[in-house]
Amino acid sequence: DAKTTQPPSMDCAEGRAANLPCNHSTISGNEYVYWYRQIHSQGPQYIIHGLKNNETNEMASLIITEDRKSSTLILPHATLRDTAVYYCIVRVTGANSKLTFGKGITLSVRP
Amino acid sequence: EAGVTQFPSHSVIEKGQTVTLRCDPISGHDNLYWYRRVMGKEIKFLLHFVKESKQDESGMPNNRFLAERTGGTYSTLKVQPAELEDSGVYFCASSQFTLATNEKLFFGSGTQLSVL
Repeated sequence: DAKTTQPPSMDCAEGRAANLPCNHSTISGNEYVYWYRQIHSQGPQYIIHGLKNNETNEMASLIITEDRKSSTLILPHATLRDTAVYYCIVRVTGANSKLTFGKGITLSVRP
Repeated sequence: EAGVTQFPSHSVIEKGQTVTLRCDPISGHDNLYWYRRVMGKEIKFLLHFVKESKQDESGMPNNRFLAERTGGTYSTLKVQPAELEDSGVYFCASSQFTLATNEKLFFGSGTQLSVL
């Protein structure tokens, strides 16, 4: 699976959009981009995934650049409960592969 | 619908003792995964069951760790004998289908293991 690079941390104000970047410059054509998060004292939680089109669900939006070398997870109206470590994971589908977690980015939402 | 449940939530044992962690996946989920995070490190994959069969156990650190899933329902992870470096949080996850189909994993809250 391709490697991802995320900044170690960022913060945003409550109620504002949180834009979390992820670089995956070595991604190949059959690799999907997944986002999970881990809120303190809980297990990781699935957020969203995509291949090349932008995706949106009830939690977030995923914007993937046209060359697929980077993506941005957008939390449209961040709340204090969104404070967590967010993991950007690239993995091949069609293979019986496991999820490989990196260091992630720590998002702190301030009041 | 109940989520993935893990028991106990915390366990404190002494070096050399045995500990057994339990995971109950979401009902109907054939795929069950164990992960762990040791202090200051990233979350690491341990193994993957499909029903009662071990599909991938490449992440198991050594033979002190034994995972079972008799009957293809709940799973146990036994550490015997426990060492100091085994301390960490052990997560269980389940999914209805394999990750090959873009399935998402549902994680439990984890078991915090402290070996003294």
